Amino acid sequence: DSGVTQTPKHLITATGQRVTLRCSPRSGDLSVYWYQQSLDQGLQFLIQYYNGEERAKGNILERFSAQQFPDLHSELNLSSLELGDSALYFCASSTGQADDGYTFGSGTRLTVV
Amino acid sequence: AQTVTQSQPEMSVQEAETVTLSCTYDTSESDYYLFWYKQPPSRQMILVIRQEAYKQQNATENRFSVNFQKAAKSFSLKISDSQLGDAAMYFCAYRSPYNQGGKLIFGQGTELSVKP
Repeated sequence: DSGVTQTPKHLITATGQRVTLRCSPRSGDLSVYWYQQSLDQGLQFLIQYYNGEERAKGNILERFSAQQFPDLHSELNLSSLELGDSALYFCASSTGQADDGYTFGSGTRLTVV
Repeated sequence: AQTVTQSQPEMSVQEAETVTLSCTYDTSESDYYLFWYKQPPSRQMILVIRQEAYKQQNATENRFSVNFQKAAKSFSLKISDSQLGDAAMYFCAYRSPYNQGGKLIFGQGTELSVKP
């Protein structure tokens, strides 16, 4: 157990639907990062939050949004889902210390049918 | 923008032998961090080893070591005495300091198979 909890582990939904992925960071970590891993795109950075505030944005689609709550858990919302959104979505957290290498959750496998 | 390149999509090694996975990166920053992550079939991302750019000494973690060549922007991973459990996808990653963003940028990965 890495200490980063992601739920659900698996999600199957239809095109056009909306889903929410949840992440609880490791205790004490203030930063949360979301990554998308698809077969042909590798690990793509989506968005970062630090202590409730958006810190950096990557190649995140406008149909996707995220937030970090006061208790530091984060949610990634995916709407108007398309077949191409099927992927493994990782959450990672870090302390913010200089040599910290992120701790990853086990991921949420999203399948859009 | 920083980029990370892993030129070996697949590698194979005999059990108990040594294998080296290659990684190059591009950056204009002088201060940064480099990492190797392992992703076994369970899909969990596991940190293998880390290197700070300002440290000349190559990092070592048990059977895992790196060859960090800052001028050449090269960061290879050597796995000694390979074990069946080392079979996985290996990702090289670059990270700038947290006060400059701190996001991890990954290479495309190298699939390592270990033959008994």
